[in-house]
Amino acid sequence: GQQLNQSPQSMFIQEGEDVSMNCTSSSIFNTWLWYKQDPGEGPVLLIALYKAGELTSNGRLTAQFGITRKDSFLNISASIPSDVGIYFCAGAISNFGNEKLTFGTGTRLTIIP
Amino acid sequence: DGGITQSPKYLFRKEGQNVTLSCEQNLNHDAMYWYRQDPGQGLRLIYYSQIVNDFQKGDIAEGYSVSREKKESFPLTVTSAQKNPTAFYLCASRESPGANVLTFGAGSRLTVL
Repeated sequence: GQQLNQSPQSMFIQEGEDVSMNCTSSSIFNTWLWYKQDPGEGPVLLIALYKAGELTSNGRLTAQFGITRKDSFLNISASIPSDVGIYFCAGAISNFGNEKLTFGTGTRLTIIP
Repeated sequence: DGGITQSPKYLFRKEGQNVTLSCEQNLNHDAMYWYRQDPGQGLRLIYYSQIVNDFQKGDIAEGYSVSREKKESFPLTVTSAQKNPTAFYLCASRESPGANVLTFGAGSRLTVL
């Protein structure tokens, strides 16, 4: 099955820094989702995007649905320790009621003391 | 609170044994999914079910089986035919055929000894 190209694979930052990550696809999507996974837990939805060009914020998180519909970006401002985890993007295209999500390979965020 | 409950959280099995992972949801969601997660990889779809008594193979169904006898339950059996079963397994559900957002359980970690 197809997987999205998510980058970077890992990030090591200091507390307070801003973070940027992105996902790209060879296919067009009409929905982009961003999830965060804590160690040993299931992913939790952060932001959902439904329209090309859409820019949506959730606290310190901001995500954008790329104009080409083939990419999406997630930014985290002023990182804090609880931001540590793996961030996944996911894209979906409608298929007559059988919308299938394709997941990125994840970006692992580590905060250096 | 509504949610998805996966059990057990940790499971150990000997080679050649079948094991069944439980997934129960009280969200009244129509569709349910099973994903496999390996280190450094994204989520790969094993099986999904859009309605009771119906399910479809995902991208990596070989060596796995499922049933959907009740709307709230979607157990996954990892059979002895699965050559590399050690992984983190995630169950998810979706509100309706038209919704793209998945809600995940906390996951089950299977280790083959």
